[in-house]
Amino acid sequence: AQTVTQSQPEMSVQEAETVTLSCTYDTSESDYYLFWYKQPPSRQMILVIRQEAYKQQNATENRFSVNFQKAAKSFSLKISDSQLGDAAMYFCASNSGGGADGLTFGKGTHLIIQP
Amino acid sequence: NAGVTQTPKFQVLKTGQSMTLQCAQDMNHEYMSWYRQDPGMGLRLIHYSVGAGITDQGEVPNGYNVSRSTTEDFPLRLLSAAPSQTSVYFCASRRGYLNEQYFGPGTRLTVT
Repeated sequence: AQTVTQSQPEMSVQEAETVTLSCTYDTSESDYYLFWYKQPPSRQMILVIRQEAYKQQNATENRFSVNFQKAAKSFSLKISDSQLGDAAMYFCASNSGGGADGLTFGKGTHLIIQP
Repeated sequence: NAGVTQTPKFQVLKTGQSMTLQCAQDMNHEYMSWYRQDPGMGLRLIHYSVGAGITDQGEVPNGYNVSRSTTEDFPLRLLSAAPSQTSVYFCASRRGYLNEQYFGPGTRLTVT
């Protein structure tokens, strides 16, 4: 069974600064994908970034990037130049490559942006 | 494309009542899933389907029933609602099991 752990229930950052959200996971699969989802107050789940486990290069999407450490089973999200619109819950999730079921989610990190 | 749609957006039930949460997608995705989200718990998988006529249980299936008669629709049935089923419910779909999941807007259910 997979587990995903987010150890920071809440993080706060000044607007325009950089913040890193932590995530660790545990899986016995060799082929899997990792995701970060954003959930604003509207409660819509929005995909921020994804990482294929077989790729060594860290994924980036504009101001969002990940630090994927496969041996340590760590998958942190870095948000650069934080903006007020980044305030939301952020969920780390894993999708096993060997199974057909859904995602395994962490409990989430509430990100606060201080103006 | 409308993507993944869910109805209703909000629902209040009394203990013991039954109801069906509707989910539909127009992206011709084979894989569909139902999750529930509780405060401090993240999202947990209830049931999932890998194609029409095929369903299976997730992490928290008790008290819920699903069926998949078409590729587009994946309804979730609460057989006899209990206060412990008060939650936000999300439906999601994806093209293949390694692909990105697309989520519906969610249904907030309160059981009194």
